[in-house]
Amino acid sequence: DTGVSQNPRHKITKRGQNVTFRCDPISEHNRLYWYRQTLGQGPEFLTYFQNEAQLEKSRLLSDRFSAERPKGSFSTLEIQRTEQGDSAMYLCASSFHLGLNQPQHFGDGTRLSIL
Amino acid sequence: SQQGEEDPQALSIQEGENATMNCSYKTSINNLQWYRQNSGRGLVHLILIRSNEREKHSGRLRVTLDTSKKSSSLLITASRAADTASYFCATDGSNYQLIWGAGTKLIIKP
Repeated sequence: DTGVSQNPRHKITKRGQNVTFRCDPISEHNRLYWYRQTLGQGPEFLTYFQNEAQLEKSRLLSDRFSAERPKGSFSTLEIQRTEQGDSAMYLCASSFHLGLNQPQHFGDGTRLSIL
Repeated sequence: SQQGEEDPQALSIQEGENATMNCSYKTSINNLQWYRQNSGRGLVHLILIRSNEREKHSGRLRVTLDTSKKSSSLLITASRAADTASYFCATDGSNYQLIWGAGTKLIIKP
């Protein structure tokens, strides 16, 4: 399977704990995106990378959120001191950047539940 | 913030009928994309239409774009049970990020 892979699929944790999610994009894709999606809503942009460089972060992204893509391949998204409002589906997508928008390929997400 | 707004929010039709969903957006765009999302899964790209195109087809899908009205429509012909999903439009924002609507939930009744 050469699609986008996200782990874990589900994460349940207590409020105040730190969590980390991993995304493995399609290997030849140079762009990687993180989104958050709550029930009944479209994806909300969090951040994206081109290769290993983090080029943009949403103004809505608090400093408890951090993302890395150390070698321009896989990426991790960490949430520190989780809050109830962090409960959501976290989606990763990748694309091959050719200038204008190219289709994004999504993983099946990590569903985070904060107790 | 979400730029696209899909209409209707929910649509329930009989199998075999056609389904039409609409998307409106606020600012000028380079292109508009439609995606499908099955429950609990990631989004799947369906079709991309560029701002200089008015209509595009892919199998049973037909997408139209009216840049003067800042709107797009997605038509699914001869619907099947497997088409049951949420459908989202996305437009290009600053720095090539996509801006998404809240989606149309489509239910195909057998």
